[in-house]
Amino acid sequence: DAGVTQSPTHLIKTRGQQVTLRCSPKSGHDTVSWYQQALGQGPQFIFQYYEEEERQRGNFPDRFSGHQFPNYSSELNVNALLLGDSALYLCASSPTLGLAGGPVSNEQFFGPGTRLTVL
Amino acid sequence: GESVGLHLPTLSVQEGDNSIINCAYSNSASDYFIWYKQESGKGPQFIIDIRSNMDKRQGQRVTVLLNKTVKHLSLQIAATQPGDSAVYFCAENVGTSYDKVIFGPGTSLSVIP
Repeated sequence: DAGVTQSPTHLIKTRGQQVTLRCSPKSGHDTVSWYQQALGQGPQFIFQYYEEEERQRGNFPDRFSGHQFPNYSSELNVNALLLGDSALYLCASSPTLGLAGGPVSNEQFFGPGTRLTVL
Repeated sequence: GESVGLHLPTLSVQEGDNSIINCAYSNSASDYFIWYKQESGKGPQFIIDIRSNMDKRQGQRVTVLLNKTVKHLSLQIAATQPGDSAVYFCAENVGTSYDKVIFGPGTSLSVIP
């Protein structure tokens, strides 16, 4: 099991550009959450996807959007990049709870992140 | 509002000693709390969690204590090892799905050999 994978590892963009980050969840997980982690700070929740729909959202502008595919993988898109968007972007996956015989822990598994630098 | 904070940004501990990392939270409605460990260049790693109907939970070398009266959470690491050096985050789950996680700013733990 490869765990949660993210691509690319690093990315450099300029202000005003658009970026797409990708995430593959851990096998058996169907829920994907995205976080932004600025240097020296804790991760900040961006949004969560389940059944290909955005289920919850944090305090991020509409420039941040996402998508989840039928295979549960997900993309994070950021438009009109600002210098302040420079951060580590983390993807986390978790299983669906409450299913008979299913997992009982809602532990989130994080990927290694994508380091985005906006110049 | 929702916020989770830590009392100390850095902590240095001698190898073999016990470590205690503290955390304060403000959302009294939160009923699920988690501790994460983040090593340099990696994503956060789940350590241990606790629900609000408990005040203590133990894992392997780690214990989490929850005091809902003063909205305080702590992580105790027994016999701290060099491999425990990392940034530790406390976090709370908000929302009905338990998957919207609010992180605190983190405490950097350094283990002195």
